[in-house]
Amino acid sequence: EPEVTQTPSHQVTQMGQEVILRCVPISNHLYFYWYRQILGQKVEFLVSFYNNEISEKSEIFDDQFSVERPDGSNFTLKIRSTKLEDSAMYFCAGGKIIYNEQFFGPGTRLTVL
Amino acid sequence: KQEVTQIPAALSVPEGENLVLNCSFTDSAIYNLQWFRQDPGKGLTSLLLIQSSQREQTSGRLNASLDKSSGRSTLYIAASQPGDSATYLCAPIQGGSEKLVFGKGTKLTVNP
Repeated sequence: EPEVTQTPSHQVTQMGQEVILRCVPISNHLYFYWYRQILGQKVEFLVSFYNNEISEKSEIFDDQFSVERPDGSNFTLKIRSTKLEDSAMYFCAGGKIIYNEQFFGPGTRLTVL
Repeated sequence: KQEVTQIPAALSVPEGENLVLNCSFTDSAIYNLQWFRQDPGKGLTSLLLIQSSQREQTSGRLNASLDKSSGRSTLYIAASQPGDSATYLCAPIQGGSEKLVFGKGTKLTVNP
């Protein structure tokens, strides 16, 4: 059964550095999402992406964040200048139909020192 | 703003027991509601999606119900097994939005 994959599984970076988190969604999915989970807290929505455009974003998703689908398979989340509070597990998700079931990847644990 | 609460926060049961996990949400204008399990340090595995027009959805030993008007959903697990031990999350999709709004989850431990 196809799965969402994410790389790397764990990324350690210094405050102020740029990071790119990568996701390969399921091939027939059209809607893509990023969520994050700070340790011990709820999973929070960051952004949704469809047809090469952001369709919705949360207040967390400020100018330091960007998303891209550089080719037909990858979906990336970039954080331009990381802060300590960006340390979290970042999940990529996708779905075939809007407002319907979303399938999550295993996550990338980002640690900002 | 949608708020999701899950009760209890933690639950420990002996193997074989039937159990119910509760989820409540403040805004009933939802498209659907999804239940997930999360194993420690891992991603979210989708268990069930229940549409706003549905009352129930079943998958194997799992049965989810939805009462949209009262803002409640329950996940019933029959004949629990140690492999069911995980955190269970519910997440409605708010009307007019694509985002899942998550509760903090119920941490389930099934003891052999």
